[in-house]
Amino acid sequence: QKEVEQNSGPLSVPEGAIASLNCTYSDRGSQSFFWYRQYSGKSPELIMFIYSNGDKEDGRFTAQLNKASQYVSLLIRDSQPSDSATYLCAVNGDGANNLFFGTGTRLTVIP
Amino acid sequence: NAGVTQTPKFQVLKTGQSMTLQCAQDMNHNSMYWYRQDPGMGLRLIYYSASEGTTDKGEVPNGYNVSRLNKREFSLRLESAAPSQTSVYFCASSEWGPPGSPLHFGNGTRLTVT
Repeated sequence: QKEVEQNSGPLSVPEGAIASLNCTYSDRGSQSFFWYRQYSGKSPELIMFIYSNGDKEDGRFTAQLNKASQYVSLLIRDSQPSDSATYLCAVNGDGANNLFFGTGTRLTVIP
Repeated sequence: NAGVTQTPKFQVLKTGQSMTLQCAQDMNHNSMYWYRQDPGMGLRLIYYSASEGTTDKGEVPNGYNVSRLNKREFSLRLESAAPSQTSVYFCASSEWGPPGSPLHFGNGTRLTVT
């Protein structure tokens, strides 16, 4: 059973702060890691993907991957109220034709 | 460029009724997927089609059937709906076969089975 674990939150941060979202996964063979944002009542939208150990930056978002420790994180700098949403971590399994999703972390950015 | 289009957006069924959820993508993607999303359960894969002409079961296929009609279209059928199938259903597509290609989701179908 491949598992992806996220803290369900809610995580509250003040506007302008850094939000840190974490995800752990159980399959050491996982190769691809994705972060999706989902607003209430809407569909998931891709924010970032990362395949290699280390950091990957895209604007205010930074994805961090540590395969040895089996965790992937998402940092959101200068958080805005519009960032308030549920963030889903998705991981593929070794040899699996599927992405496994965590249950998501609900983020609230307080103006 | 509409991306991934799902119909209908909402549906209410009585137990035992059947229905087909339609999905079409205009991004020339090879792979298509059907997920369901339930509170506290996350997104779970029902069926997927790695390429035109192929379909495979995902984590929760029981009670569902799929058809990859052509490269653009992938439908999900509930033959005899049950209350446990009340959920939000998302169709998704990706450029190449899994596992490394990002998924692009449709807007979802909210299904209630009474």
